[in-house]
Amino acid sequence: GAVVSQHPSRVICKSGTSVKIECRSLDFQATTMFWYRQFPKKSLMLMATSNEGSKATYEQGVEKDKFLINHASLTLSTLTVTSAHPEDSSFYICSADHKGETQYFGPGTRLLVL
Amino acid sequence: SQQGEEDPQALSIQEGENATMNCSYKTSINNLQWYRQNSGRGLVHLILIRSNEREKHSGRLRVTLDTSKKSSSLLITASRAADTASYFCAHSNAGGGKLIFGQGTELSVKP
Repeated sequence: GAVVSQHPSRVICKSGTSVKIECRSLDFQATTMFWYRQFPKKSLMLMATSNEGSKATYEQGVEKDKFLINHASLTLSTLTVTSAHPEDSSFYICSADHKGETQYFGPGTRLLVL
Repeated sequence: SQQGEEDPQALSIQEGENATMNCSYKTSINNLQWYRQNSGRGLVHLILIRSNEREKHSGRLRVTLDTSKKSSSLLITASRAADTASYFCAHSNAGGGKLIFGQGTELSVKP
């Protein structure tokens, strides 16, 4: 149990395009999901907390207009990187809160912006 | 910054040896968790220890928590090459909510 999927696993796009990443909790409902960014050989950096039915809470320094988050159901949150640029290239990981105690993580999405 | 610290940053051992990783944090915690990440993959939840617990076991994993020192350790016994990965501790504060991650320990187990 407690499986979280992410799609796509890898995406390459041209500079200026928008990219949507989906995060799904497959066998449990998650009122809260989280989006992280990870640079090579670094720890996870929390970008935002996604709450079902309400606006996401963004961490300091994260542009909410750049990284749009939608948590439309108890099993799905999406992150859209708008007008992506090469500096947005990174590994993006989502997680879903499980019973208010721990988080289960998706497999990550590697984004490369050319 | 509330980010936790882990040491060592990198650890290289032979198969069969034990591996110990340490984690420190700065605030009062609800619980502390350890995760494993294989290169280019998501995180796998290993073990959770609550603030009122001192030690927990799961298979070859042993986690300790010392709230007076604000520190935790993860011991992997009889390591295997397949244990090669990065290991992260993460804690949630007493107010609950988001996880705060340590910097991670990169473990390499040589066959």
